[in-house]
Amino acid sequence: TQLLEQSPQFLSIQEGENLTVYCNSSSVFSSLQWYRQEPGEGPVLLVTVVTGGEVKKLKRLTFQFGDARKDSSLHITAAQPGDTGLYLCAGFTSGTYKYIFGTGTRLKVLA
Amino acid sequence: NAGVTQTPKFQVLKTGQSMTLQCAQDMNHEYMSWYRQDPGMGLRLIHYSVGAGITDQGEVPNGYNVSRSTTEDFPLRLLSAAPSQTSVYFCASSPSTSPYAPSTDTQYFGPGTRLTVL
Repeated sequence: TQLLEQSPQFLSIQEGENLTVYCNSSSVFSSLQWYRQEPGEGPVLLVTVVTGGEVKKLKRLTFQFGDARKDSSLHITAAQPGDTGLYLCAGFTSGTYKYIFGTGTRLKVLA
Repeated sequence: NAGVTQTPKFQVLKTGQSMTLQCAQDMNHEYMSWYRQDPGMGLRLIHYSVGAGITDQGEVPNGYNVSRSTTEDFPLRLLSAAPSQTSVYFCASSPSTSPYAPSTDTQYFGPGTRLTVL
């Protein structure tokens, strides 16, 4: 069974601080996605990374795919209360139709 | 476009009852899937479909049935509800049809159905 472990599980920080969320697996993924989910809603896609070592930036969010395509990280610079939510990573394996989701990181940014 | 819609939003069942969770999308997507979300466990894939008439099992299929008679609809049936099926259920769709190419397609999620089984 493929597993995606995310760390930390919970994170509470002050506005303006930086943070990094990690997504790790022993399996290789052909692509990896990051989603954000707010209470009472479904996840919304933030970014997709495909190439090992790839780095993508989305305003204050920086996403990196590991060289071996087994892990990924999400770094937020100068966090804002609007960044509060549940962050999920999801891996896709070539040859299957299945997305495997990580366990999630719940972020709270205090004003 | 309404995107992905799910009904009902909330449901309470007694153990042993059956019910169908509805999911519909108006984006002409081939791929549709059902997930359940439990605290601390992320989303787990129940069943998925790559087109009308084609369905397959995900990670946790036991106790659930699906069918896909049209591109738009993908209902999830609970055969005999159990307390272990208390969860939030999400339906998702994406254009993906090929299992052999890195998937960069966006999965669009519905708002979810919160199910409690007593």
